[in-house]
Amino acid sequence: QQPVQSPQAVILREGEDAVINCSSSKALYSVHWYRQKHGEAPVFLMILLKGGEQKGHDKISASFNEKKQQSSLYLTASQLSYSGTYFCGTETTDKLIFGTGTRLQVFP
Amino acid sequence: DTGVSQDPRHKITKRGQNVTFRCDPISEHNRLYWYRQTLGQGPEFLTYFQNEAQLEKSRLLSDRFSAERPKGSFSTLEIQRTEQGDSAMYLCASSKLTGSEQYFGPGTRLTVT
Repeated sequence: QQPVQSPQAVILREGEDAVINCSSSKALYSVHWYRQKHGEAPVFLMILLKGGEQKGHDKISASFNEKKQQSSLYLTASQLSYSGTYFCGTETTDKLIFGTGTRLQVFP
Repeated sequence: DTGVSQDPRHKITKRGQNVTFRCDPISEHNRLYWYRQTLGQGPEFLTYFQNEAQLEKSRLLSDRFSAERPKGSFSTLEIQRTEQGDSAMYLCASSKLTGSEQYFGPGTRLTVT
C-alpha cells in the first residue's frame, strides 16, 4: 500500500525550514528519501534502516519511528536548489513503494 | 561510477507497435529495478532482478510487459502491442542489495500515439 506524505506542497523563502512526513500502514525494513526536479530522475537523499542506521546527504536529516512506521525529513536553512518534489520510498520486501510526493518550492 | 544509463531517452511509437528499452546499471550493483512514472505521481514498481534472476513482478504489469537481464548485467524492458495508457516515463534503478540506496537512470519517456 502506498505511503502517505504530508504536506502535499510547501512554499518557503530561502533560509526557512521545512518538515516532510511519510506514513505507512506496513511494517518497514527501511525508508528512503528522494528529490526529483521537473523532467529529471529521482536523486537519492537519505536512507533510514530499521535499527537506527542512516546514510545520506550531510545537509539533510531525517528520523524513522519504527513502531509507528513513520518517517520525517527535515530541511533546514533551505536553498533555492532544494526546490522539487520529495518522495519517500518504503521498503518492506526488497522493493520500494513510493509515496504520494511533496512539492517544495523555495523562493528568494 | 559512471551511473545508470538508459536508452533511448525518448520513444514515440504508434499504438500496437512493440518497443524495447535498455538499462545499464552501475557495474558493481547486483540489483536492478524497473519503475514507471506518470505526471504528478511517484515511481511505480514494475519488476526487479538480483543478478540475472527476476525475483518479483508487479501484479499491475500485464502480460504485454517482459523484462530480461541476461548475464546479470544490462536489462531490457519490452512492451508488446503498446496502448496509449502505456505512455509514461520508464525509470531504471540499481542498488547493491536490500537496504541500499537505489540510483536512478535518466529514464525513457514513451509516447504512444
